[in-house]
Amino acid sequence: GAGVSQSPSNKVTEKGKDVELRCDPISGHTALYWYRQSLGQGLEFLIYFQGNSAPDKSGLPSDRFSAERTGGSVSTLTIQRTQQEDSAVYLCASSLQNSGNTIYFGEGSWLTVV
Amino acid sequence: DAKTTQPPSMDCAEGRAANLPCNHSTISGNEYVYWYRQIHSQGPQYIIHGLKNNETNEMASLIITEDRKSSTLILPHATLRDTAVYYCIVRGNDYKLSFGAGTTVTVRA
Repeated sequence: GAGVSQSPSNKVTEKGKDVELRCDPISGHTALYWYRQSLGQGLEFLIYFQGNSAPDKSGLPSDRFSAERTGGSVSTLTIQRTQQEDSAVYLCASSLQNSGNTIYFGEGSWLTVV
Repeated sequence: DAKTTQPPSMDCAEGRAANLPCNHSTISGNEYVYWYRQIHSQGPQYIIHGLKNNETNEMASLIITEDRKSSTLILPHATLRDTAVYYCIVRGNDYKLSFGAGTTVTVRA
């Protein structure tokens, strides 16, 4: 597709379950970002990939959060043992390289932990 | 990255131009000014960016002062669908975007 694609668009899960969120960046984009936005809050940076490596994981809130990227393309954000405070929209973005190129966002994955 | 200051909210009338100010007094020479908007917690939408010259595209115009310490995003003919939170972001060599609180723009009929 032409834009950043994320799935699922909505996910409701029970507290304690694991969830996986997927991001398909724009073709050819080597930089990939994950952000999180809780209801009524600002955008919070989680992790940045350049190719398959993640030089900046500083925004991951706890060790229950992890992300990987394979083939320099698709990325998966995994949240283990979900908690209610993990409820948020998780946004993926990509750009051609790291600095200086416009970053484009997907529509997000809404996660609700009940 | 330099910080930006934006008014928390503003209203504008449908069909009129909306002028959104942004102060970035500590901007350095290699930092760009980016504008994004976000509607109802959808993914932020890129609008425009510039370094020192004024820029225009199909969505908006960006006017940057000569000293680069402030800028204005202009939506030439605001519609109800332009109601959103607008973010002014200064970005240099940092790979990521740092979002502030933005300006909540409400377009009224």
